[in-house]
Amino acid sequence: DGGITQSPKYLFRKEGQNVTLSCEQNLNHDAMYWYRQDPGQGLRLIYYSQIVNDFQKGDIAEGYSVSREKKESFPLTVTSAQKNPTAFYLCASSIGAGNQPQHFGDGTRLSIL
Amino acid sequence: SQELEQSPQSLIVQEGKNLTINCTSSKTLYGLYWYKQKYGEGLIFLMMLQKGGEEKSHEKITAKLDEKKQQSSLHITASQPSHAGIYLCGADYYRGSTLGRLYFGRGTQLTVWP
Repeated sequence: DGGITQSPKYLFRKEGQNVTLSCEQNLNHDAMYWYRQDPGQGLRLIYYSQIVNDFQKGDIAEGYSVSREKKESFPLTVTSAQKNPTAFYLCASSIGAGNQPQHFGDGTRLSIL
Repeated sequence: SQELEQSPQSLIVQEGKNLTINCTSSKTLYGLYWYKQKYGEGLIFLMMLQKGGEEKSHEKITAKLDEKKQQSSLHITASQPSHAGIYLCGADYYRGSTLGRLYFGRGTQLTVWP
């Protein structure tokens, strides 16, 4: 079955450490997105990518980095510069054209040790 | 500033009751998407609305987009415990955009008690 796989489901970070969240899709979608969700808040866009080897900052990109070397993969690195990384992270993909819904993975919960 | 407002923030209803969740935009919508989320899980796509006055239904859930394309409502008839979760609306503001970027409301937490 086609879908989006995020791993790991739970992740713990020590102070000063970088961590990478994985996002893989087999839907043959061109566009991929990373969101952060905090309690009581909607989804805030971190980074998005329309095509391979290209990506743009979203609304809260500081302290995060991404790469898009393959169409299927869009990993997110939470760097030590992100001072408040504890959150639920969601990856999504879409065909990339307008009028098409985004499809979401099951999320990764990141916590600070 | 929040361009998309959802109300109410939370809703507690008895099983069998009807309920409505609203999503209001400060700008004209090109498309409006409704999603459902169980706590700690990803978002499940419910419906997409594009045309002013459009209405779509899936099982006991109906979503409408007003004529001015600035407000949408999600109506659940005869609620069941399986309807419980967080409902989020996502807005597409750009006609012709290939970005597919969405702006999300803060969500409505729905609890259905038996």
